[in-house]
Amino acid sequence: GQQLNQSPQSMFIQEGEDVSMNCTSSSIFNTWLWYKQEPGEGPVLLIALYKAGELTSNGRLTAQFGITRKDSFLNISASIPSDVGIYFCAGQSNFNKFYFGSGTKLNVKP
Amino acid sequence: DGGITQSPKYLFRKEGQNVTLSCEQNLNHDAMYWYRQDPGQGLRLIYYSQIVNDFQKGDIAEGYSVSREKKESFPLTVTSAQKNPTAFYLCASSLTGEGEQYFGPGTRLTVT
Repeated sequence: GQQLNQSPQSMFIQEGEDVSMNCTSSSIFNTWLWYKQEPGEGPVLLIALYKAGELTSNGRLTAQFGITRKDSFLNISASIPSDVGIYFCAGQSNFNKFYFGSGTKLNVKP
Repeated sequence: DGGITQSPKYLFRKEGQNVTLSCEQNLNHDAMYWYRQDPGQGLRLIYYSQIVNDFQKGDIAEGYSVSREKKESFPLTVTSAQKNPTAFYLCASSLTGEGEQYFGPGTRLTVT
């Protein structure tokens, strides 16, 4: 099955720093989604993007739907310890199927 | 309280036994999905269903079976034919044609 290329694989940052991660695909998607998953829990939807070029914020999180519809990025500003977790991107195709990146593991040092 | 429930949270089985994982949603979503997640890895699609009484195989359907008799329920059976069943199983749902997919809390299955 199709997988998205998500990078970086992991990040170790200091509290207060900004974070950026991205996903790329060889296919066009109609929707890009960003999730956060904590250990032993299901992923929680953070941001949904529906149009090429769209820039959407949710508190300290900002995500963009790439112009080519083949990529997306997520930024977290002024990171805090509770941002720790694994962040996944997902793209939705025409047939109601979702494809996921392999995740970015974020570690924040207080 | 709207959402997706999966039960149980932890499940232990002996090798050779079939086991059924429950997934229920009260979001009135048409589409439901089962994913498998292995340590340090992303999500792999097992089965999905876009409408009652219909479902399609995902990328790793071998050794699994599903049913969709009711809109709100999509149980997954892990059969003895599944070679490596120990994993974290996630159920999700979405509105057909809408882009947002929501996940349940997951079931961790351990087979020994």
